[in-house]
Amino acid sequence: NAGVMQNPRHLVRRRGQEARLRCSPMKGHSHVYWYRQLPEEGLKFMVYLQKENIIDESGMPKERFSAEFPKEGPSILRIQQVVRGDSAAYFCASSTGANVLTFGAGSRLTVL
Amino acid sequence: SQQGEEDPQALSIQEGENATMNCSYKTSINNLQWYRQNSGRGLVHLILIRSNEREKHSGRLRVTLDTSKKSSSLLITASRAADTASYFCATALNSGGYQKVTFGTGTKLQVIP
Repeated sequence: NAGVMQNPRHLVRRRGQEARLRCSPMKGHSHVYWYRQLPEEGLKFMVYLQKENIIDESGMPKERFSAEFPKEGPSILRIQQVVRGDSAAYFCASSTGANVLTFGAGSRLTVL
Repeated sequence: SQQGEEDPQALSIQEGENATMNCSYKTSINNLQWYRQNSGRGLVHLILIRSNEREKHSGRLRVTLDTSKKSSSLLITASRAADTASYFCATALNSGGYQKVTFGTGTKLQVIP
């Protein structure tokens, strides 16, 4: 059981480029959460997905950000036309839909 | 929006002392969870307390929940240097088979050997 796998662990992009962050949930988990963390701050909820469905995207900026969790394959958080303010750690967590979340190690995005 | 506010923001204690962290939240919950994050790593679940429970223990951890005051506390007894980390409370609200989990701002704990 490999746990929650996130990749890439580190991603560097120039302003205006696209960033794609991937998350493979723990085996048996069909619920995926994405959170964003700025240095020395807490986790800010972005989006909650179940297979092929977005359950709650209230924390996601309306523009440039999108997320999906297809029937096959990992969940993807996509940031188009990145800006310096997008630099952060993005954490994915998965669950069975109840109780405890299992987190991945995070993807650290740096926008130059 | 952040659901939980934690207090203190930072705490520094000597090894062997107890550490107490508090969490306040705003809305109804089904359960409250505490997580730990070592620097640069993902979060690790520590303990979960349901809304109908008042106190729970796990090893050196003791969690209390007061739903009337919308607050929880995490006590780490006999702290060790390895307990140095950030600690986050998270509130969970279930609706229609889905569970939204929202995190607090965290308490940064430093245990000095």
